[in-house]
Amino acid sequence: DTEVTQTPKHLVMGMTNKKSLKCEQHMGHRAMYWYKQKAKKPPELMFVYSYEKLSINESVPSRFSPECPNSSLLNLHLHALQPEDSALYLCASSQGWSTDQETQYFGPGTRLLVL
Amino acid sequence: QKEVEQNSGPLSVPEGAIASLNCTYSDRGSQSFFWYRQYSGKSPELIMSIYSNGDKEDGRFTAQLNKASQYVSLLIRDSQPSDSATYLCAVTVYGGSQGNLIFGKGTKLSVKP
Repeated sequence: DTEVTQTPKHLVMGMTNKKSLKCEQHMGHRAMYWYKQKAKKPPELMFVYSYEKLSINESVPSRFSPECPNSSLLNLHLHALQPEDSALYLCASSQGWSTDQETQYFGPGTRLLVL
Repeated sequence: QKEVEQNSGPLSVPEGAIASLNCTYSDRGSQSFFWYRQYSGKSPELIMSIYSNGDKEDGRFTAQLNKASQYVSLLIRDSQPSDSATYLCAVTVYGGSQGNLIFGKGTKLSVKP
């Protein structure tokens, strides 16, 4: 089983709203990722969590705030977003970081529209 | 800047033909290479992973890796209309304690019935 789930599937929010995206995996994976993907572009890495600790933040604006409550869950808290933040937000997980463990499996994504 | 290059396409092939997708990468230290398929509006789906020079076959898909030439390819035999999608090449680059995926821009494949 290589399933990563994400909720909600779609989200529309105003620029003053606060919302959260959720991601869950039950594969025992130790690394979890948030990506942002704009139309006709490849995914862009935002954050990496290793063993529930933030290990990489790719210079993402502070209006995006990640959280890893436990080894299976990853949240992305959104506040005061801009219309240009509208995109597909993808969560991924991998077993670990050695060569045979770093395959990333993606969730279905959350389509976000900021008005 | 570590990069992964792909032809953006579109690559159009007739049903039943072999589709050949190519990718080059800049980081000689990369050890892991992946092909993802992405249908419009959907998330990337892993098709193949390859770590050693040579060929790796899985059903109608064959991945080929040549580390000396920094080149990885994906062959799709007996192409079907359902293979029409964008194919993303991804390469692990290393900095610090772990590697991260760098994606190419993707090649859009269209299989015509």
